[in-house]
Amino acid sequence: QSALPQPASVSGSPGQSVTISCTGTSSDVGGYNFVSWYQQHPGKAPKLMIYDVNNRPSGVSDRFSGSKSDNTASLTISGLQAEDEADYYCMSYISSRYVFGSGTKVTVL
Amino acid sequence: EVQLVESGGGLVKPGGSLRLSCTDSGSTFSNYAMNWVRQAPGKGLEWVSFISTSSTYIFYADSVKGRFAISRDNAANSVYLHMNSLRVEDTAVYYCASQPRRTGSPFDNWGQGTLVSVSS
Repeated sequence: QSALPQPASVSGSPGQSVTISCTGTSSDVGGYNFVSWYQQHPGKAPKLMIYDVNNRPSGVSDRFSGSKSDNTASLTISGLQAEDEADYYCMSYISSRYVFGSGTKVTVL
Repeated sequence: EVQLVESGGGLVKPGGSLRLSCTDSGSTFSNYAMNWVRQAPGKGLEWVSFISTSSTYIFYADSVKGRFAISRDNAANSVYLHMNSLRVEDTAVYYCASQPRRTGSPFDNWGQGTLVSVSS
């Protein structure tokens, strides 16, 4: 199972919104509502930001939101802040296995 | 609360073996399924293996199937990854991650990772 394609990088100015896509198939992203998103700062462990497509764990800012349309999941960061600069990965369940996205570097200009 | 700490990483020659450990300092370890995820230097995340709460279900990525084995000891609050026939391309930071006991649940707690380097 290859990594789910994500844009290599996206950027935005403070206060702006950015959206990261995660493209799958009907066997993974499109087949289940089990898409999650992870934030990873350099040298740190990943942190869960969104689960089950559009749910936020306790403690995660409501500036982060998720959605899905057909085989593509998306993560939107609104009101971009300096601390949002990090790598972001989607993950999908796929019948007893899991597959991550290729990762997107978010740069705050 | 789940607090995971990995250990056991290090430098090993190609073809060698290594056992990674991940211990939870909390008290609810047996309620969580566990996974190993790895990240090669400068690369993305790759799911490696899954083990259910009572070890009934075990799954592996194709890249490690037949070479790696996952196990857990709920009495010791620990999960293990036994790695055999190691290859240069297995070089990575290995993270353990917990997930609630339901199909497709997210990886909600992660350890800090342990580095495995495979080199001659």
